[in-house]
Amino acid sequence: DAGVTQSPTHLIKTRGQQVTLRCSPKSGHDTVSWYQQALGQGPQFIFQYYEEEERQRGNFPDRFSGHQFPNYSSELNVNALLLGDSALYLCASSLRWGGEEQYFGPGTRLTVT
Amino acid sequence: GNSVTQMEGPVTLSEEAFLTINCTYTATGYPSLFWYVQYPGEGLQLLLKATKADDKGSNKGFEATYRKETTSFHLEKGSVQVSDSAVYFCALIARAGKSTFGDGTTLTVKP
Repeated sequence: DAGVTQSPTHLIKTRGQQVTLRCSPKSGHDTVSWYQQALGQGPQFIFQYYEEEERQRGNFPDRFSGHQFPNYSSELNVNALLLGDSALYLCASSLRWGGEEQYFGPGTRLTVT
Repeated sequence: GNSVTQMEGPVTLSEEAFLTINCTYTATGYPSLFWYVQYPGEGLQLLLKATKADDKGSNKGFEATYRKETTSFHLEKGSVQVSDSAVYFCALIARAGKSTFGDGTTLTVKP
């Protein structure tokens, strides 16, 4: 079982650019959540996808958008990057009706210069 | 909105010492509570959970009890090891499915 995988591992972008991060959930999981973790802080909930729709959203601007595919994998898109978007982006997968236990991927480190 | 407040770190203990990391929360309704651990260079791993008041979660010698009356979920371990050195996060999931994490507490255990 591969667990949750994320790509790329690291990414460097320039202010104003757009970025796409990818996540493959743990085998058998149907729900994907995305988090932003700034250095020295806890993960901040961005949004959650289930059945290819955004089901819950945290306090993030519309520059943050996502998508879930029929195979349950997911993408996180961030437009018009700001320096403050530099962070570790975590993907977590779970079962919609199987309890609330989330399995986290290793994250993508995004640096905006 | 919901919030989680963790004991500020870093915490440094000697091997075999008793560990307590405090966690209190604010939430509407009856959230589920979690402790996650992040070892150096690794992703977040679920350590233990409790889904209702008075439940005790336990794993690898760690314990935490869901205290509704004090809105707390303190993490404890009777005898820590060097391998327990990591960052510990307290978190809650509300009924709507939104997760809220604390800022983490760094634990260093010295031999």
